[in-house]
Amino acid sequence: DIQMTQSPSSLPASLGDRVTITCRASQDIGNYLRWFQQKPGKSPRLMIYGATNLAAGVPSRFSGSRSGSDYSLTINSLESEDMAIYYCLQHNEYPLTFGSGTKLEIK
Amino acid sequence: EVQLVESGGGLVQPGRSLKLSCAASGFTFSNYYMAWVRQAPTKGLEWVASITNSGGSTYYRDSVKGRFTISRDNAKSTLYLQMDSLRSEDTATYYCTRVTDYWGQGVMVTVSS
Repeated sequence: DIQMTQSPSSLPASLGDRVTITCRASQDIGNYLRWFQQKPGKSPRLMIYGATNLAAGVPSRFSGSRSGSDYSLTINSLESEDMAIYYCLQHNEYPLTFGSGTKLEIK
Repeated sequence: EVQLVESGGGLVQPGRSLKLSCAASGFTFSNYYMAWVRQAPTKGLEWVASITNSGGSTYYRDSVKGRFTISRDNAKSTLYLQMDSLRSEDTATYYCTRVTDYWGQGVMVTVSS
């Protein structure tokens, strides 16, 4: 199975900060990488697909990038509504595997 | 507007069965792969099973193989998850998802005596 190692697990940040969350894939997954945002009591929301593409309705302060087997989600100019847990997902092969999540919280 | 509405959750004893349903609307159901993803209380997301758009192929995580069955009825635009031989570790909120771009609100399954 492909392991997705996500870091950090917790990320205290201030409003206006630029933050980056990373997932490292244990095998090649190409660009079959998605990022999700989940707020308490809510369903996950797709933020980034194809490693770098912004999903519909997602603010432009969110972006995705790839460097080798490392995939990153960056949020520029953090807003209060961005406080949530973020997960990566590889869908290159079954079983699909999620990262363990990053809790983004106000410092 | 895409909508996915799960139903069928509840409290069930270990070893018993439960069947989840997901009613889809707002898109051509038969054109899309579908999946179930679960989340145990206070834990992360975990993929459970997927099914191709025709229903001809299915995929499962190892821990549910032989116990869970994913299926679909394209005429009714409905996705199913038959869960047999339930264990306490299956306790979770189960989400129906259209290839992870749209998600239902989730349905809670609690396995406990």
